[in-house]
Amino acid sequence: ETGVTQSPTHLIKTRGQQVTLRCSSQSGHNTVSWYQQALGQGPQFIFQYYREEENGRGNFPPRFSGLQFPNYSSELNVNALELDDSALYLCASSPWGGGIGGYTFGSGTRLTVV
Amino acid sequence: KQEVTQIPAALSVPEGENLVLNCSFTDSAIYNLQWFRQDPGKGLTSLLLIQSSQREQTSGRLNASLDKSSGRSTLYIAASQPGDSATYLCAVRNSGNTPLVFGKGTRLSVIA
Repeated sequence: ETGVTQSPTHLIKTRGQQVTLRCSSQSGHNTVSWYQQALGQGPQFIFQYYREEENGRGNFPPRFSGLQFPNYSSELNVNALELDDSALYLCASSPWGGGIGGYTFGSGTRLTVV
Repeated sequence: KQEVTQIPAALSVPEGENLVLNCSFTDSAIYNLQWFRQDPGKGLTSLLLIQSSQREQTSGRLNASLDKSSGRSTLYIAASQPGDSATYLCAVRNSGNTPLVFGKGTRLSVIA
């Protein structure tokens, strides 16, 4: 049984650029959530995808968007990057409804905006 | 709106000491509570998950308790080791389909 895989591990972008982060969910999990973790803070919920549709969104602007594919993998896209977007981006998968095991997180993508 | 608070923000203890990390949440109507470990710059590793109907969970030297009525959970680490040094995050879920709400974590240093 594979875990959650995120790519790339590190990324440096210039302000104003666009970025795409990728996530492969754990086998058997059909729900994917994305979180942003600024330095010294707890992760903040961005959005959740189930059956290829957004199903819940946190307090993030529309320039944060995502996709979920039929194999349950997911992408996070951020347009018009700002310096404050620099953070660790975490992907988590779970069965719909949470299941017994709760969330499984990937190792994250460290995004630096300069 | 659910809010999660973790106290203390940082903790330094000598090796071998038993310790308790605290987590409180404002809305007691939770679905479950999960404790995670995070090493610097890394992702989250799930330690223990407590369902709303449970009072505690144990895994090795770790024991997590849940008191829903008072909005509190504790993570007890027995016989701490330098390898336990990490940030410990508490997160709650209000229903099976809602996202996790995290505290800011407790940064633990175990000194050899």
